[in-house]
Amino acid sequence: ETGVTQSPTHLIKTRGQQVTLRCSSQSGHNTVSWYQQALGQGPQFIFQYYREEENGRGNFPPRFSGLQFPNYSSELNVNALELDDSALYLCASSPSGLSANTGELFFGEGSRLTVL
Amino acid sequence: DAKTTQPNSMESNEEEPVHLPCNHSTISGTDYIHWYRQLPSQGPEYVIHGLTSNVNNRMASLAIAEDRKSSTLILHRATLRDAAVYYCILRDSQGNNDMRFGAGTRLTVKP
Repeated sequence: ETGVTQSPTHLIKTRGQQVTLRCSSQSGHNTVSWYQQALGQGPQFIFQYYREEENGRGNFPPRFSGLQFPNYSSELNVNALELDDSALYLCASSPSGLSANTGELFFGEGSRLTVL
Repeated sequence: DAKTTQPNSMESNEEEPVHLPCNHSTISGTDYIHWYRQLPSQGPEYVIHGLTSNVNNRMASLAIAEDRKSSTLILHRATLRDAAVYYCILRDSQGNNDMRFGAGTRLTVKP
């Protein structure tokens, strides 16, 4: 069974550009959530997708958007990049949106975004 | 939202037990207590979780106070591979499926 995989692992963008990060969830998992982790801090919840619909969002502006596909893989899109968007972006999957609050999340290794 | 408080850092000697404390005085009845750890250059990794009773698994034990206002993650024999940041998180089983990470405890294991 493959775990959560994310791509790219590292990328560099400039202010104002747009970026798309990708995540393949663990086999059998239909819920995907995204987190932003700034250097030296804990991860911060961005949003969650369950069965291709967003069903939870943290305190992030609308320029952070996402998609989930029928195969449960997911994308995180960030428009109009700002310097403070530089961070590690983590994707996590879990087997069910209904019981996910009580169960385990499986994290990928993240995509490190640097905005210059 | 219920919050957790953890020491910024702790040290342990290899092969000795480690007790990592977490305070969550505003915990609600529907909050589960979760622990994750993050090794360098990796994503967070699930360790253990519980609601009211103490829990054991192959990685660790979780001791939950009777009033649920605090908990302790116990690593029975620390190894060098256990050096990581340990996060104590409350997850509301009735709310959004977001996990609110704090800054965690950075555990250093000395050989």
